[in-house]
Amino acid sequence: DVKVTQSSRYLVKRTGEKVFLECVQDMDHENMFWYRQDPGLGLRLIYFSYDVKMKEKGDIPEGYSVSREKKERFSLILESASTNQTSMYLCASRAQGGNTEAFFGQGTRLTVV
Amino acid sequence: AQSVTQPDIHITVSEGASLELRCNYSYGATPYLFWYVQSPGQGLQLLLKYFSGDTLVQGIKGFEAEFKRSQSSFNLRKPSVHWSDAAEYFCAVGLGGGGADGLTFGKGTHLIIQP
Repeated sequence: DVKVTQSSRYLVKRTGEKVFLECVQDMDHENMFWYRQDPGLGLRLIYFSYDVKMKEKGDIPEGYSVSREKKERFSLILESASTNQTSMYLCASRAQGGNTEAFFGQGTRLTVV
Repeated sequence: AQSVTQPDIHITVSEGASLELRCNYSYGATPYLFWYVQSPGQGLQLLLKYFSGDTLVQGIKGFEAEFKRSQSSFNLRKPSVHWSDAAEYFCAVGLGGGGADGLTFGKGTHLIIQP
């Protein structure tokens, strides 16, 4: 069974902390994504990566960075967490080709206090 | 840029009744279309997808969707809903590139099932 695993289901962090959200996929997919989900706004793309060490900004990259040192792992970094980054974060991976579906992790609900 | 519109934020349906969730997209060419479902506190699960060919596609859990090019629509249907169908439903569009671009999602429709 294909799997995208996010390291934490729930996180509570303090304002100003550096936060790491980890995502691992076991499908050998080239493409990985980080989305943020907020009520009434749907899913918004933060960053994506199409290869190791490659990254591209999505629609809302401000306040975030990413790291992809290995093909299977894609990390989202909040350099200095703020309360407006309280949200559900979803990681996804996708094989090459436009006609491929995205597979999602279970999500990490981050609360910044 | 492509966009996806789900006009209904909430829909309430009685158990056993039929369901149709609307999705309209904006894109210059024929996109790749997806419907995902999200149960509370969970990630997204693919229900079905359309790439080409037959415009009526079947998915899991008894769902189907019909692609209508003339209306730029990809509506999701189910003949008879079950209480377990209560969830958030997302329509998404993908471009015809190499897959490196993320899918663009609608804002979702929250489905409530009445007993």
